[in-house]
Amino acid sequence: NAGVMQNPRHLVRRRGQEARLRCSPMKGHSHVYWYRQLPEEGLKFMVYLQKENIIDESGMPKERFSAEFPKEGPSILRIQQVVRGDSAAYFCASSPSSGNSPLHFGNGTRLTVT
Amino acid sequence: GENVEQHPSTLSVQEGDSAVIKCTYSDSASNYFPWYKQELGKRPQLIIDIRSNVGEKKDQRIAVTLNKTAKHFSLHITETQPEDSAVYFCAASGDSGNTGKLIFGQGTTLQVKP
Repeated sequence: NAGVMQNPRHLVRRRGQEARLRCSPMKGHSHVYWYRQLPEEGLKFMVYLQKENIIDESGMPKERFSAEFPKEGPSILRIQQVVRGDSAAYFCASSPSSGNSPLHFGNGTRLTVT
Repeated sequence: GENVEQHPSTLSVQEGDSAVIKCTYSDSASNYFPWYKQELGKRPQLIIDIRSNVGEKKDQRIAVTLNKTAKHFSLHITETQPEDSAVYFCAASGDSGNTGKLIFGQGTTLQVKP
């Protein structure tokens, strides 16, 4: 059973460009969570999605960030007009249910904005 | 919303000694408390978890205790080994709505000296 798959592993963008981060949950998991980790800091919740629905986006910045989890295909975290402060590791996690189940993390996408 | 505080931020022990990491949380509705280990450049991995109907749980050299009245929980690692060196994160379920969202502590960097 493949784990949570994220790609790309590393992404370099110039200021003002768009970044698209992809996450395929574990097989059988329909709940996806995105977290951001700044260097030497903890994991900050961004957004929780189920198929075709955003359930909780309380951790998402109000502008430039969006997320989706379409009926078919991976979940996408999109950052428009990136700035240097967006440089971080973005982790996706999945779980089989919404009720107090362990989150299984992918290997993350390390975004560098130059 | 939920807030999780973790202490200490760094911990250095001699191989064979015990290590204790403590966390407090603010939302009395939280009922799920996992611990994750993250090695440098890698994904967070679940090492142990506890639910609010249990006061203590042990798995080989790792144990977790929970005090719901005081809203704090702790990770205990006995007979530490150099491969235990990593960053450890505690987490608490983020809301009483059972979205499965986890709120993480700031992390503890554990160094085990051979």
